[in-house]
Amino acid sequence: DQQVKQNSPSLSVQEGRISILNCDYTNSMFDYFLWYKKYPAEGPTFLISISSIKDKNEDGRFTVFLNKSAKHLSLHIVPSQPGDSAVYFCAASGWDSNYQLIWGAGTKLIIKP
Amino acid sequence: DGGITQSPKYLFRKEGQNVTLSCEQNLNHDAMYWYRQDPGQGLRLIYYSQIVNDFQKGDIAEGYSVSREKKESFPLTVTSAQKNPTAFYLCASSPFTGRKTEAFFGQGTRLTVV
Repeated sequence: DQQVKQNSPSLSVQEGRISILNCDYTNSMFDYFLWYKKYPAEGPTFLISISSIKDKNEDGRFTVFLNKSAKHLSLHIVPSQPGDSAVYFCAASGWDSNYQLIWGAGTKLIIKP
Repeated sequence: DGGITQSPKYLFRKEGQNVTLSCEQNLNHDAMYWYRQDPGQGLRLIYYSQIVNDFQKGDIAEGYSVSREKKESFPLTVTSAQKNPTAFYLCASSPFTGRKTEAFFGQGTRLTVV
């Protein structure tokens, strides 16, 4: 039973446009959410996080939105650049699991020139 | 530079052999983790350790063993009991557990059984 779901295995976006990656979760105890970026044959690198007390967090071109009632979060990348092509993982954690990270399956983002 | 070092980057193992993957960190982090990644799947937790000389099983611990004799080191042994060991293995660390924090990852080891 997947507690964190990324339903789009891949996404293709034109360079300069907005990329929107989505993530849904089922455990209402999750209160901390993270996005990671991963290139092939490398470890994931942390991008941005959000706590459940907020509904938005920005860091440069990256913005994460959290909709607690819908148990949904999204990562917006504006504008998209070729170097953004990677696999993006959503992860969630909560006090009931001692803040162990629970991971989605990832979405492969392809930025077209 | 501070970070997490996994070695080797690529590893080949014959069926029936045990093999040990190395993970070292110089970030002074208390917690360390081992994950497995298979194509089209998220990261699955194998083992984690919150403190030296202590570790706990994750979701897929069968066929694996670990040790945490030093704060900096958390080696993973893939035993012959692991039925499908070919995968990409990732080691991570975080400053502590039980609180909101991100994990920092090594570059990974790709293990192939031949």
